[in-house]
Formats: sequence, structure tokens, C-alpha cells
Amino acid sequence: DVKLVESGGGLVKLGGSLKLSCAASGFTFSSYYMSWVRQTPEKRLELVAAINSNGGSTYYPDTVKGRFTISRDNAKNTLYLQMSSLKSEDTALYYCAKRGMTFYAMDYWGQGTSVTVSS
Amino acid sequence: DIVLTQSPATLSVTPGDSVSLSCRASQSISNNLHWYQQKSHESPRLLIKYASQSISGIPSRFSGSGSGTDFTLSINSVETEDFGMYFCQQSNSWPQLTFGAGTKLELK
Repeated sequence: DVKLVESGGGLVKLGGSLKLSCAASGFTFSSYYMSWVRQTPEKRLELVAAINSNGGSTYYPDTVKGRFTISRDNAKNTLYLQMSSLKSEDTALYYCAKRGMTFYAMDYWGQGTSVTVSS
Repeated sequence: DIVLTQSPATLSVTPGDSVSLSCRASQSISNNLHWYQQKSHESPRLLIKYASQSISGIPSRFSGSGSGTDFTLSINSVETEDFGMYFCQQSNSWPQLTFGAGTKLELK
């Protein structure tokens, strides 16, 4: 069975940094595009980072560009999200999500890890 | 960015009712539209891909339709396990994908 387990969330001060991890199992991790999607307290969903199968191509929306870095270690079947210069609007539940092989939707999601940015 | 507008924001129904949820795109996105269900305290689950394509393991009472800018998720005879949030997502501008704000399906 596909399993995605996020960790690393917590309470961090304004301007601080945090690194999230996502351990993947049950599929050939190195073959799939992976993403981080966050859900705000208002329940809105937003893609914050995406990375192709070999890590050579990444994408960030303007809201996090320059502050967040997505990476992956295919040998360890692990996805990462390094977050810095955190703002209050980054407070959210962060999901790791796997994209379909031949389609552009997320077919598996982790349980999420919560990030709270406080002053 | 492509904006997705979902309506209604909340839909109050009785088990057994058949319902339609709407998702409208700010520009044409062909059939690059996907639907997710999120139950309380759970992660989103993919229900329908590419507007109308079924997903393995999803009950047949869920169906999707539409293309261009107007899309519909239909639930034929709602069951109690169906209550929760429903989100649409476009992939026309992958990886600049966006989600709608969601429709809450609740018990009347």
C-alpha cells in the first residue's frame, strides 16, 4: 500500500525556519513527481512546491518563492521542504502528495504535519 | 492564475438526495479538472480525474461532467459517509495548479 508520512511540523517564530520530511513507501518513489500542498485554517488548499522524479526540476508559486526549497532523496525514499523567513500566513497543515504517473492530479496524500508561525 | 469558483459554498442535504456541485474556471481549461473529497480530520482523496474519468475504488454514485469552464460533480443518492468538503483542482497550467475554495456537503 502507498504510504506517505510527514514529520517536522511545529511552532516556530516569525522569521524562523523549519524543515519538513515525508517518508514514502509502497511505490517506486524515484519514478513519481511529488508535491507539498498546504491547507490553511480556513481550509483553502494551495500547492507550495513540486519536484520532478529525479529532482532536476522544481516549481514554487510566488507566495513562497525564494523562501521554500523542495528536495528529495530517492535513495532514502524521502521528500523534504525547507521553509525559511516564515510568515504568519504560512500557518497551515502541510501535506505531502504523490502525483499520478500519467495524470496531473494527486492520487495519494499523507496525513499532514501542522506548522504554526507565531510572533 | 486560473481561478476556480465553487458553488454553493454549503449544501445541506438528506441521505438519499441526489446533488450537483459546481466548479467554474476563470478561463477555458479543457477537461483538466479533478475532484477531491475531504472528510473531517482526514486527508483529501481523489474522486474524479479529467472531469469525468472514474478512479478505482470510488463508489459509482460519484460522477463528473463538463469541459471548458463549467464542471459538475454529481452524487447519486447521497450516503451519510459522503458528508464533508469537496474541492476541484485544475491542472491546465501544470505545475501552476490551483484549487477551488470547496463546497461543504452537510446533513440537513
